[in-house]
Amino acid sequence: KQEVTQIPAALSVPEGENLVLNCSFTDSAIYNLQWFRQDPGKGLTSLLLIQSSQREQTSGRLNASLDKSSGRSTLYIAASQPGDSATYLCAVSMNRDDKIIFGKGTRLHILP
Amino acid sequence: DAGVIQSPRHEVTEMGQEVTLRCKPISGHNSLFWYRQTMMRGLELLIYFNNNVPIDDSGMPEDRFSAKMPNASFSTLKIQPSEPRDSAVYFCASSFPLNEQFFGPGTRLTVL
Repeated sequence: KQEVTQIPAALSVPEGENLVLNCSFTDSAIYNLQWFRQDPGKGLTSLLLIQSSQREQTSGRLNASLDKSSGRSTLYIAASQPGDSATYLCAVSMNRDDKIIFGKGTRLHILP
Repeated sequence: DAGVIQSPRHEVTEMGQEVTLRCKPISGHNSLFWYRQTMMRGLELLIYFNNNVPIDDSGMPEDRFSAKMPNASFSTLKIQPSEPRDSAVYFCASSFPLNEQFFGPGTRLTVL
């Protein structure tokens, strides 16, 4: 059974710093991996989707990497801003039309 | 496209009442997912449909929960009778093959 773990559960970082969020999964036979952002009281917003054949995806200040063999992904946020404060969730899919399995998220707080 | 649309956004009801949550997926998406989110359990998949057919309902907690997708543009999640422990935020999401899921804003359900 696939399990997705995100550590730490919460993180506080001064504004301007670069930071890395971690995600690990137990079954490396994934179809893809997705990073989401959730603001308090809001829905989830898709940030980046990495296919199993890819090693990374970039969008603006965000870079997500994937190491399937070791069951890990990281989300790198450059030059953090207070507006980056949110919960970041990692999710993996095992098949093309299958459900995705979520981690419990990392709650990020950027200190002004 | 307006994105995934959910209604109502907030629902307060009394224990024992029937609750119906509604979702309109993004046009052209062929998979639809219902999730429940609580502080204690995080984000849980309840059921998902592919081409209007329920594929996996193993996450539906009890027979009190039922979901339908009569056509490609509409789905409902019904709880009958509702209980206080059903209080949560219920999200609907849709995706097209490649599995990038797009979430609606959620329905915050409070059962008194």
